[in-house]
Order: sequence, then structure tokens, then C-alpha cells
Amino acid sequence: QLQLQESGPGLVKPSETLSLTCTVSGGSISSSSYYWGWIRQPPGKGLEWIGSIYYSGSTYYNPSLKSRVTISVDTSKNQFSLKLSSVTAADTAVYYCARLRDTIFGEGPGFDYWGQGTLVTVSS
Amino acid sequence: DIQMTQSPSSLSASVGDRVTITCQASQDISNYLNWYQQKPGKAPKLLIYDASNLETGVPSRFSGSGSGTDFTFTISSLQPEDIATYYCQQYDNLPWIAFGQGTRLEIK
Repeated sequence: QLQLQESGPGLVKPSETLSLTCTVSGGSISSSSYYWGWIRQPPGKGLEWIGSIYYSGSTYYNPSLKSRVTISVDTSKNQFSLKLSSVTAADTAVYYCARLRDTIFGEGPGFDYWGQGTLVTVSS
Repeated sequence: DIQMTQSPSSLSASVGDRVTITCQASQDISNYLNWYQQKPGKAPKLLIYDASNLETGVPSRFSGSGSGTDFTFTISSLQPEDIATYYCQQYDNLPWIAFGQGTRLEIK
């Protein structure tokens, strides 16, 4: 069974860089037909897609966050990571990593496996 | 950018009721739409892909329909365990995606 686990600091100071890592177990991050994504959810609010990466390193970012986001992948460790720079209180959220399935075996695209989420608070 | 408008933002229904949520895209997205269920404190769960296809293991009381710009998500007979927030998500230009604002479903 595929599992994803987010890790990283739960508290980040304003203007600093938020860094999170997602470790994938039970399957290879290098599998074709899958992207790996980050989604966040501010307390009491909806879901916001941050960006996704393919195992080759190709990246795709939400235009509203693109100037501050970097997503990278380490296939040797079966991990992918998120960096969000110049954070403010508005970046306080639960951050999820998830697998984005492309059309495969007749099943259409979607985020089919998710991590449990990690709360990151931006505060001095 | 394609905007997704979900309605209502919240609704209250009784056990056994038929519940309907709508999602409207700002432009034609064919059938490139998913529906997710998120229970409090949990990660979202994919219920329906390609607008109308049930994800493996999802109960048949959940269904989806629509194409183009107008989509509907239906629970045929509301169960207590269906209390959650539901999100639509478009993938017209995968892997760029966007979520709707969500619909919070409560038991009356």
C-alpha cells in the first residue's frame, strides 16, 4: 500500500523559507503516469493546489504562488520537497503531499493517495 | 485561469435525503472534473473522476454527472458517515489543476 508522509518544521518565521519533504513508501516515485503534488489548506478554509513534479524533475506551479515556490525530487530517496520563500501569516496552513494519477488502466486523473498533512504556522 | 464555482457553500440535510452539489467552470472543461470528500482533520479522498466515474471502493450512493461547464455531485441517500466537506477539482490542462471552494455538508 502506497504511503506518503510529510515532514518539516511546524513553525516558520515571517520572511523566511518554509521547507517540507514528502517521503513515499510502498511504491516508487519514479513510476510513469504519476505526478507528485503539494496542496495546502489554511485553517477553516478550502484546498489550494501549490504545484506538482514529475520524477524526471519537470515542475508545474500554481501561477499565484509561482514566484515563491520550488518543488524538487530525489528519486534515490523516494522523496520530493517543497520550498516556499518569503512566507507571511497567510501561508499558515496544513500542507499535504499527494500522488496525482494520470489516466492509467482506464482510471482518469486525480489525487489518489495523500499524506496525513502537516500544520505549518508562520509566526515570529 | 479556469475558475470553479461550487454551490452551495454549505447545506444541511437529513439522513436518507438526496443531496446535490453543483460545480460550474468558467470555461468548457469537457469531463475533466473530480469530486473529493474531506472529513474533519483528515486528508481529502477521491470519490469520482472524469465527472462521473466512481473510484474503486466508493459506495454507489455517490454519483456525478455533467460535462462542459456544469457538473453535479449527488448522494442518493445521505448517511451519517457522509458528513464532510466536498470539493470539485478540474484538470483541463493536467497537471495544472484547481479546486472549487468546497461545500460543507451537515446533518439536520
